[in-house]
Amino acid sequence: EPEVTQTPSHQVTQMGQEVILRCVPISNHLYFYWYRQILGQKVEFLVSFYNNEISEKSEIFDDQFSVERPDGSNFTLKIRSTKLEDSAMYFCASSVDRIETQYFGPGTRLLVL
Amino acid sequence: AQSVTQLDSHVSVSEGTPVLLRCNYSSSYSPSLFWYVQHPNKGLQLLLKYTSAATLVKGINGFEAEFKKSETSFHLTKPSAHMSDAAEYFCFVTFTGGGNKLTFGTGTQLKVEL
Repeated sequence: EPEVTQTPSHQVTQMGQEVILRCVPISNHLYFYWYRQILGQKVEFLVSFYNNEISEKSEIFDDQFSVERPDGSNFTLKIRSTKLEDSAMYFCASSVDRIETQYFGPGTRLLVL
Repeated sequence: AQSVTQLDSHVSVSEGTPVLLRCNYSSSYSPSLFWYVQHPNKGLQLLLKYTSAATLVKGINGFEAEFKKSETSFHLTKPSAHMSDAAEYFCFVTFTGGGNKLTFGTGTQLKVEL
């Protein structure tokens, strides 16, 4: 069964550094998403991406964040200058259609020191 | 504005007894509703979804949920809890219009005791 994959599974970085989180969505899916989950809190929507552009974003997704689909398979989330409060689990998801089921990857645990 | 409320942050049941996890939403737009489960240190797994077909939806592992438009609810139930059901459960709602369209509830931690 096809699945969403994410790399790395864990990343530790210093405050102020740039990080890139990578995701490979399911191949026939057209919508891509990033979410984050701070430890002990709920899953929060960051951004959705369709047709090579951002379709929706939350107030969390500020200028420090960017997303890109650099080739036909990868979908990346870049944090330009990490802050301590960016420490969280980041989930990628993809779906065939906007209101259809989103399939989630296993997540990348980011720790900013 | 749209919102999703999971009324109970923690639910504790005995093995073999019924489970009820509550989810209510608030919106003037038509929702698509999902329940996801997250086991410790794992990703999110879809349990079931409602997208405007039958209001009673059956999912994996014996779970089901009923969409009640009049009550703006989509509660998750299971007739008989199993130890392996212990996890965190998230209600997730998408709306066909308006802002802030992709919304997770705050989650309900289900504990199953012997």
